[in-house]
Amino acid sequence: QKEVEQNSGPLSVPEGAIASLNCTYSDRGSQSFFWYRQYSGKSPELIMFIYSNGDKEDGRFTAQLNKASQYVSLLIRDSQPSDSATYLCAVGRDNYGQNFVFGPGTRLSVLP
Amino acid sequence: ETGVTQSPTHLIKTRGQQVTLRCSSQSGHNTVSWYQQALGQGPQFIFQYYREEENGRGNFPPRFSGLQFPNYSSELNVNALELDDSALYLCASSRGGGPETQYFGPGTRLLVL
Repeated sequence: QKEVEQNSGPLSVPEGAIASLNCTYSDRGSQSFFWYRQYSGKSPELIMFIYSNGDKEDGRFTAQLNKASQYVSLLIRDSQPSDSATYLCAVGRDNYGQNFVFGPGTRLSVLP
Repeated sequence: ETGVTQSPTHLIKTRGQQVTLRCSSQSGHNTVSWYQQALGQGPQFIFQYYREEENGRGNFPPRFSGLQFPNYSSELNVNALELDDSALYLCASSRGGGPETQYFGPGTRLLVL
């Protein structure tokens, strides 16, 4: 089992719809959870982070965390073509070997 | 803009050569992490430097080595380049050596022929 898994893409949604991106992680000691957006050929940019169970909203983005289920999601409301990108889930933990682990990413296409 | 800079932006090398990539961290950050990202994959952790000391290493061979300077900038050195080393190399800076938010530079795209 990989440490961080994401729903396989590509995910296609029509403009204006809600895009739902999912991520599961294996290390129960994980403490912090991040969503990054990466446009083709560019570096990852931080969208938001979440530390506590529940929902966290920032504009059109909502992150949801359920530590008991080891699950974190990102909802994008009113999806726009400019949201088309790869979304990376990252998990932070206290671990000397590696304290920040990325998932493989989910590619999102928002169709006009 | 994250304030993290990397140089060079692109690089072409041949098998067996050596390469040095550079990263300047964001102001106020003392930790730099390096990642390798192959096409279509997530970033793979190479190593992290915290206050000039290695603070963790991923599953990469010893020919991948690094350094962090007193101003917290960092270098990634790769010896004996192989074709599979072709990738986007990302540097991320953060405020501490733990699971803190990481901010990425623009990356260096390395092509090994």
